[in-house]
Amino acid sequence: DTTVKQNPRYKLARVGKPVNLICSQTMNHDTMYWYQKKPNQAPKLLLFYYDKILNREADTFEKFQSSRPNNSFCSLYIGSAGLEYSAMYLCASSRDRTVNTGQLYFGEGSKLTVL
Amino acid sequence: SQWGEENLQALSIQEGEDVTMNCSYKTYTTVVQWYRQKSGKGPAQLILIRSNEREKRSGRLRATLDTSSQSSSLSITGTLATDTAVYFCATGTQVVGQLTFGRGTRLQVYA
Repeated sequence: DTTVKQNPRYKLARVGKPVNLICSQTMNHDTMYWYQKKPNQAPKLLLFYYDKILNREADTFEKFQSSRPNNSFCSLYIGSAGLEYSAMYLCASSRDRTVNTGQLYFGEGSKLTVL
Repeated sequence: SQWGEENLQALSIQEGEDVTMNCSYKTYTTVVQWYRQKSGKGPAQLILIRSNEREKRSGRLRATLDTSSQSSSLSITGTLATDTAVYFCATGTQVVGQLTFGRGTRLQVYA
């Protein structure tokens, strides 16, 4: 029974088209994360929100956008999908401000296939 | 090791056997977390061990941390078929949001 929900679970997109993935959590967590997971690779942090502050990783800064209209929801937006964006996108949330004491709660993921 | 250029590690064992998975990391860390991801599910935390701890236990799980060699291990005793999953270690510090995952170890437990 997960309390981090992701939609859609599967997304098929054409090259050059936009993609919007949605995540919600019901635990009132301050921090929400987006990770990209490709087969046989480590989950890669793309960005995270602490409260309303967005932090994006330097190497993915221009490729992904995000919004957090309220505490419960967070989106991941790709303006123009390329083949290299095909991956599983994992959303997570955490109660704690740092990972030193807490844990990440993950959703089941959104599998994006770009053709 | 879960880091570096090697492929995802894979282990296959029989139910009831014990198994140990290893993880080495390259940067300063104050905490190591172990996660398990079952097929079709998101990763779920199993155990968290801090840099001032050498060992942590939770049920059939035992995690160790050696900061001098920058390595951690996760042992499962008396494995079950339901332990079949990919196991990730992740390192972090006090920096907000910084949790870095390894490639993982794929464990297959046969009944």
